[in-house]
Amino acid sequence: AQTVTQSQPEMSVQEAETVTLSCTYDTSESNYYLFWYKQPPSRQMILVIRQEAYKQQNATENRFSVNFQKAAKSFSLKISDSQLGDTAMYFCALLMDSNYQLIWGAGTKLIIKP
Amino acid sequence: EPEVTQTPSHQVTQMGQEVILRCVPISNHLYFYWYRQILGQKVEFLVSFYNNEISEKSEIFDDQFSVERPDGSNFTLKIRSTKLEDSAMYFCASSEALGIAKNIQYFGAGTRLSVL
Repeated sequence: AQTVTQSQPEMSVQEAETVTLSCTYDTSESNYYLFWYKQPPSRQMILVIRQEAYKQQNATENRFSVNFQKAAKSFSLKISDSQLGDTAMYFCALLMDSNYQLIWGAGTKLIIKP
Repeated sequence: EPEVTQTPSHQVTQMGQEVILRCVPISNHLYFYWYRQILGQKVEFLVSFYNNEISEKSEIFDDQFSVERPDGSNFTLKIRSTKLEDSAMYFCASSEALGIAKNIQYFGAGTRLSVL
């Protein structure tokens, strides 16, 4: 069975600092996708960044980047120059190429302090 | 930017009542999904839907649940006889297709269901 683990229930950093959120996963399939979603207090689920497992290059979206270590089954999210608006729950999610359902981690609550 | 729209944002109902949660997926998307998030717990997959049929469903999605695409735009989740444990945030999502590059699921803002 596929699983996603986020071991940091809560993190807080000062504005403008860099923060890294951890995620590990387990799957026996070779083709899959990994996602980070952000859920602000409004509770909307917003896609932050995604990574295809077959791509070795780490994905980057502006201030957000990932460190994808396929052998270690690790997929961490780095937020550079953090902003107050980054305060949210962050969920790591896994999607196999063979099916439809996202498998979710428990989430990390990130607080950016002014 | 196109978005997934869900209504209502908050639904309060009595135990045993039927509820219908509504979603308007992104217009060119072909795959539709429902997830739920009980407060303090992980997001859980309920069901996926394609070409007017259920593609996949989880163990949670029992006979009390049904989905429908009654017209060209709406996608609904019906809970026939609500239980207290159905209280959760329900998210609708849609994606353009399956497979590489196109299976990005975009989510609505959710419907908070409170069963009293």
